[in-house]
Amino acid sequence: DAGVTQSPTHLIKTRGQQVTLRCSPISGHKSVSWYQQVLGQGPQFIFQYYEKEERGRGNFPDRFSARQFPNYSSELNVNALLLGDSALYLCASSLIWTSGGPQETQYFGPGTRLLVL
Amino acid sequence: QKEVEQNSGPLSVPEGAIASLNCTYSDRGSQSFFWYRQYSGKSPELIMFIYSNGDKEDGRFTAQLNKASQYVSLLIRDSQPSDSATYLCAVKGWTQGAQKLVFGQGTRLTINP
Repeated sequence: DAGVTQSPTHLIKTRGQQVTLRCSPISGHKSVSWYQQVLGQGPQFIFQYYEKEERGRGNFPDRFSARQFPNYSSELNVNALLLGDSALYLCASSLIWTSGGPQETQYFGPGTRLLVL
Repeated sequence: QKEVEQNSGPLSVPEGAIASLNCTYSDRGSQSFFWYRQYSGKSPELIMFIYSNGDKEDGRFTAQLNKASQYVSLLIRDSQPSDSATYLCAVKGWTQGAQKLVFGQGTRLTINP
């Protein structure tokens, strides 16, 4: 089975532009989470989606938005890019939503490396 | 105080020795803990998860959890040069209705042949 896939792998944008990143979860996984990883730091939570609904977001400005499609793939959009948005953007999928929340193990895709000039 | 803290290293260990990686967390109610390995330029790869106090072994890897001390560790036995990577400790947390992983900054491990 294919793992989590993300596209594109690399992206270069200039300040003020907009970017869309894409993610396809592991087959059968219904929950997708997005993380931002700045060089030298651990990943930081941005969003979680389950069954096409946003379940929560981390401490990121409204310039960051996302959505999940009926096939459970997801897009992350970032508007009005800033230099500080340069990072590795990671998508993670997990299996199901149990009474205690999503099945806990999250599997990461290869990431999209975004450079803002 | 950071939610999850790790020594950033670098930690240098000779080949064949035991590498010990440590992590502390601030939320006493945390229940689920994860170790990820991240090679340079790559994404995090799950190594182990642990939910109960004590030790959990998987091959050369042992995760240890002490909830009273809010401490998680990862031991790597018979360290190999291929174990050289950054090791990320993550704790399950919640924000609004979402489950999230809260990561430490990672410990960079180098295995010297």
